[in-house]
Amino acid sequence: AQSVTQLGSHVSVSEGALVLLRCNYSSSVPPYLFWYVQYPNQGLQLLLKYTTGATLVKGINGFEAEFKKSETSFHLTKPSAHMSDAAEYFCAVSSVKAAGNKLTFGGGTRVLVKP
Amino acid sequence: DAGVIQSPRHEVTEMGQEVTLRCKPISGHNSLFWYRQTMMRGLELLIYFNNNVPIDDSGMPEDRFSAKMPNASFSTLKIQPSEPRDSAVYFCASSYVPGNYGYTFGSGTRLTVV
Repeated sequence: AQSVTQLGSHVSVSEGALVLLRCNYSSSVPPYLFWYVQYPNQGLQLLLKYTTGATLVKGINGFEAEFKKSETSFHLTKPSAHMSDAAEYFCAVSSVKAAGNKLTFGGGTRVLVKP
Repeated sequence: DAGVIQSPRHEVTEMGQEVTLRCKPISGHNSLFWYRQTMMRGLELLIYFNNNVPIDDSGMPEDRFSAKMPNASFSTLKIQPSEPRDSAVYFCASSYVPGNYGYTFGSGTRLTVV
């Protein structure tokens, strides 16, 4: 079975400050890892994904995440927060063995950006 | 591609009425997922289909919920009879198997049962 834990259901950052959202996963097989963003009244949009290869992956809107197998983590970062980054962020895990590409989502982290 | 298309965007209905939510997945995708999102429970997977066949419906809350996928380009989620606790945003998502490239989500249907 796979699981995802996102530390902190709410994060508040100042505009221009570092954004760091934490995600730890549990998987008995090599994982595929994803970050999604959900803006108010919208669906989830894929930010970035790790499947194989380079462990540092870059996504849209200046976000990046690093897969650390030893720490079973896939934390999301952005060097400088912008007001438009205010949204909810979801980490998710899947694997090559997951039937139908089934994703397991974390509980989400809501980001508030202060001016 | 127009993405995953859900209709309606908003639905307000009275308790006891039948509600049907619709989803058109991305052309070429062969897996389809229905999720429900609420403040209390977050994102819940209700059911998913692979090649139009229901694979796992263990997330369907009760017999009042049913889902169908008559062909590769259309799926419905039906609630009959609806209850106020069914009020939520319902998302449809699709993906291609094999190839773990994540899901593409629709914009959701906000259901309010009064």
